[in-house]
Amino acid sequence: GESVGLHLPTLSVQEGDNSIINCAYSNSASDYFIWYKQESGKGPQFIIDIRSNMDKRQGQRVTVLLNKTVKHLSLQIAATQPGDSAVYFCAEKSGSARQLTFGSGTQLTVLP
Amino acid sequence: GAVVSQHPSWVICKSGTSVKIECRSLDFQATTMFWYRQFPKQSLMLMATSNEGSKATYEQGVEKDKFLINHASLTLSTLTVTSAHPEDSSFYICSASSLSGSTDTQYFGPGTRLTVL
Repeated sequence: GESVGLHLPTLSVQEGDNSIINCAYSNSASDYFIWYKQESGKGPQFIIDIRSNMDKRQGQRVTVLLNKTVKHLSLQIAATQPGDSAVYFCAEKSGSARQLTFGSGTQLTVLP
Repeated sequence: GAVVSQHPSWVICKSGTSVKIECRSLDFQATTMFWYRQFPKQSLMLMATSNEGSKATYEQGVEKDKFLINHASLTLSTLTVTSAHPEDSSFYICSASSLSGSTDTQYFGPGTRLTVL
């Protein structure tokens, strides 16, 4: 069936470096994408979203890139900080559907 | 921003008992609430979609008679795990959504850790 998945299950970066977390999706009808951050024992926290009519969107220290041609989504975190350590999930939905489909998640660890 | 709370944050119960988890949208009216289950080191799996005033829609493989969902108001949904067993131990997370213009963002609660002995 349709799925949203991530390329890397774990990612370790040095504090201050930039992080890139990738996500592949298979549903060509997906038109809305969201990145969530989940810290241990907590619920997912909204980071940034992007609609399919855009290919880039920037927030505070974060940028989401969407490549619809290859069905790929990425989250870039600038100047990664220890507080960025968490599991990051991409999620997608299509059309009028209310339900989100979550990817498998990437554990980001920021090294001192 | 939109805030969603869950109660309790954690619960331990004996096998065979029932447990109720509450999900509240604190500063907005949620037309739809979603219930997820998350096992350790895994992703969120949608269990059911709940619209205020109507029956919940369950995902394939989720027993509706075991996981009772009530969404009686625009700010409260409850999930009752009936006759809980150890395999029901998990992290249960709700989210709330309010269609507003072109925005349909889900705001997540902090989760409820259920341990069934």
